[in-house]
Amino acid sequence: QVQLVQSGAEVQKPGASVKVSCRTSGYTFSIYDIKWVRQATGQGLEWLGWMDPNSGNTVYAPRFHDRITLTRDTSINTAYMELTSLTSEDTAVYYCSRGPRNGWQDYWGQGTLVTVSS
Amino acid sequence: DIVMTQSPDSLAVSLGERATINCKSSRSVTSISNNRNYVAWYQLKPGQAPKLLIFWASTRDSGVPDRFSGSGSGTDFTLTISSLQAEDVAVYYCQQYYGDVTFGGGTKVEIK
Repeated sequence: QVQLVQSGAEVQKPGASVKVSCRTSGYTFSIYDIKWVRQATGQGLEWLGWMDPNSGNTVYAPRFHDRITLTRDTSINTAYMELTSLTSEDTAVYYCSRGPRNGWQDYWGQGTLVTVSS
Repeated sequence: DIVMTQSPDSLAVSLGERATINCKSSRSVTSISNNRNYVAWYQLKPGQAPKLLIFWASTRDSGVPDRFSGSGSGTDFTLTISSLQAEDVAVYYCQQYYGDVTFGGGTKVEIK
């Protein structure tokens, strides 16, 4: 069965970076884009960007384009999201998901809580 | 960016009754070339990952109960739960994937 399993919760200080992993299984990694979304406590869903696991090409949401990097390791079917220059406003649950190009997201990871606090 | 405006922010519906959630986009998310509506709907429950309900505005994802239905085109879209069940208590989000992806603000559905 399709699974996306994310790395565990993180606590980071303001100004630091965080890297969240998303290990996939149960399907061919290269066929579906990996897409990232976050949800701050009490807030709605916010789009971060997506990556083509086959080519490594990425598209980032404009407001994150200078702080986010999406990468992958095809040998272990795992995607990564790194966010730099963290502030308290980046405290949120970060989700990876998969889906077709220019489309929806049908399978999701369990979410990774990132807390930014001094 | 295409702005997705959901209404209402919350609604309380009796068990077995209909729940209707609206989503309006700031410009059309219907493709002229393929006549498809680039809208999806998701269900979020506390402590759980989002669940895809509907894509292409009206296509139910595999395993989604048929009490969930989506409709609309152009700029106006609707998610309907025909007979609300206790397990449907959640926050529902619309999403457009016509341009850079954006989500609506969410609608909280509760039992009256």
